[in-house]
Amino acid sequence: GNSVTQMEGPVTLSEEAFLTINCTYTATGYPSLFWYVQYPGEGLQLLLKATKADDKGSNKGFEATYRKETTSFHLEKGSVQVSDSAVYFCALTNTGTASKLTFGTGTRLQVTL
Amino acid sequence: NAGVMQNPRHLVRRRGQEARLRCSPMKGHSHVYWYRQLPEEGLKFMVYLQKENIIDESGMPKERFSAEFPKEGPSILRIQQVVRGDSAAYFCASSPTKDSYEQYFGPGTRLTVT
Repeated sequence: GNSVTQMEGPVTLSEEAFLTINCTYTATGYPSLFWYVQYPGEGLQLLLKATKADDKGSNKGFEATYRKETTSFHLEKGSVQVSDSAVYFCALTNTGTASKLTFGTGTRLQVTL
Repeated sequence: NAGVMQNPRHLVRRRGQEARLRCSPMKGHSHVYWYRQLPEEGLKFMVYLQKENIIDESGMPKERFSAEFPKEGPSILRIQQVVRGDSAAYFCASSPTKDSYEQYFGPGTRLTVT
């Protein structure tokens, strides 16, 4: 079955620091990969996605590259802001069909001044 | 274009009562998913529905939980005889077609069982 493993948090960084949140996956076939962000008290928002190997998803300064050889989809940002403080979830679904998302357990990011 | 709507946002029930959670998908979306988020955990899939059909309910507990998505009106997740362990955030997501892999999430319903 499908599974997603992400680094445990919390991750605490100073503003303008470099961010990496690791995500690896196990899946049958060729999944699509996602990063979702959840701000306090809110639902999940799609941050970025990649649907095939070597694709790079990017949005709001965040990037992640679909690495089939290492089954990874690590999230990076070159310079974090206080407003990036949130919980980040890595997720996957089987491409081409409307099917359930499998989520990692989430990584809480806290950015301080 | 309004997003996915869920109500109520907060729901408090005593043990043994029924909880009814509603989800209105985005306009034009006919696929609805329900997920549960326990405190400090990720989201876990519960059920996937299309209009008038349950497609995948592999993540839903066999007892006390049911879901529907009627031809008219919102999708409903019903929990009968709630217990403290049902306290969680319940999120609904929708997608437009069976070939779409993107899901759009609602703000969630936070259920507290006292």
